[in-house]
Amino acid sequence: EDKVVQSPLSLVVHEGDTVTLNCSYEVTNFRSLLWYKQEKKAPTFLFMLTSSGIEKKSGRLSSILDKKELSSILNITATQTGDSAIYLCAVLHGSSNTGKLIFGQGTTLQVKP
Amino acid sequence: DTGVSQNPRHKITKRGQNVTFRCDPISEHNRLYWYRQTLGQGPEFLTYFQNEAQLEKSRLLSDRFSAERPKGSFSTLEIQRTEQGDSAMYLCASSLAQQAKNIQYFGAGTRLSVL
Repeated sequence: EDKVVQSPLSLVVHEGDTVTLNCSYEVTNFRSLLWYKQEKKAPTFLFMLTSSGIEKKSGRLSSILDKKELSSILNITATQTGDSAIYLCAVLHGSSNTGKLIFGQGTTLQVKP
Repeated sequence: DTGVSQNPRHKITKRGQNVTFRCDPISEHNRLYWYRQTLGQGPEFLTYFQNEAQLEKSRLLSDRFSAERPKGSFSTLEIQRTEQGDSAMYLCASSLAQQAKNIQYFGAGTRLSVL
């Protein structure tokens, strides 16, 4: 059965710390991996990763995919309280006629002042 | 507003009642998805449409659930004879299939509480 597993499930850090969130997957017909940030509203898109070893960056956030290890990491440097959220990893799989995302259970990040 | 819109934001109902949720996707997005999210879990896929055609349904979608997208624009998700186990956040997402990335953009969800 296809699955996506995230670790840790929860994390508490202080402002200024750097955090690394992990995502591993076992999915047939992998197409791409996506990261979303979910506060008390809609999950908002962060990154889409399709190729191994190419880092995507957006400000203090960065992510990379390792297709050999079937995993991805999301790094957040110099964390701020506004980074507190649930970070969701999802894998897009299947043929071009499908668009189903398989999500992990999420990592809840709390950044303390 | 060009985001995905869902209504209502919250719905409280009694067990056995029927409920209907609406999703308005981003304009011109031809793919629309429904997911269900329970506390402490990631969203689970329910079904998806390309234009008005429902192309895939999860086995999670029992015969009490039905989704429509009659004109290929907005969609409705109906749950008949609700059960307490249906309590969850129902998320809608949309994407443009022609885009190489086919990124799904989510609405804020409808939170259902079945008493």
